[in-house]
Amino acid sequence: RKEVEQDPGPFNVPEGATVAFNCTYSNSASQSFFWYRQDCRKEPKLLMSVYSSGNEDGRFTAQLNRASQYISLLIRDSKLSDSATYLCVVNTFADYKLSFGAGTTVTVRA
Amino acid sequence: DTEVTQTPKHLVMGMTNKKSLKCEQHMGHRAMYWYKQKAKKPPELMFVYSYEKLSINESVPSRFSPECPNSSLLNLHLHALQPEDSALYLCASSVTSGSSEQFFGPGTRLTVL
Repeated sequence: RKEVEQDPGPFNVPEGATVAFNCTYSNSASQSFFWYRQDCRKEPKLLMSVYSSGNEDGRFTAQLNRASQYISLLIRDSKLSDSATYLCVVNTFADYKLSFGAGTTVTVRA
Repeated sequence: DTEVTQTPKHLVMGMTNKKSLKCEQHMGHRAMYWYKQKAKKPPELMFVYSYEKLSINESVPSRFSPECPNSSLLNLHLHALQPEDSALYLCASSVTSGSSEQFFGPGTRLTVL
């Protein structure tokens, strides 16, 4: 079983729509959770950390469910510039390694 | 300065060549990483340096040789690579190796002929 699993998508949504997707992780000892964004042929960039109580950054909302071992990302009022691959990233602290999901591709169309 | 820089941006090399990839950060981070990323796949960790010492080697073939000359620089020396080593090589840094937020450089796109 992969450490971090994501729905690869693609999620094709119109501008202004809301899109949400999840990521599950297998290690219950995981301590830190992140969403990174990666544009085609570019490096991953940290979008937001995910906190236990859930957190929001503008149009982006992240949630963590430790009991079910998943995190989610919701994008409201989608913009064309939100088109990217969103990587779910988990850290257990035990070995200081980040575990990456395979990414969820989102395409926002005009 | 809040960025990680990498040179070169693109590199084409033959299987008998020796080349080096360079990475630099001036954020005072004490952990630096090399990742390999193939198309449509997530980054795969290769090496971790913590306080200029190699702390993790993910069973990477010896044709890849990392070097950390100082706390700001990280090199990856390449020798006798195979065509399947063609990929995007990403460098990243974080405050310490226990600090999860990693900042990535733009990568070097490597093609091995």
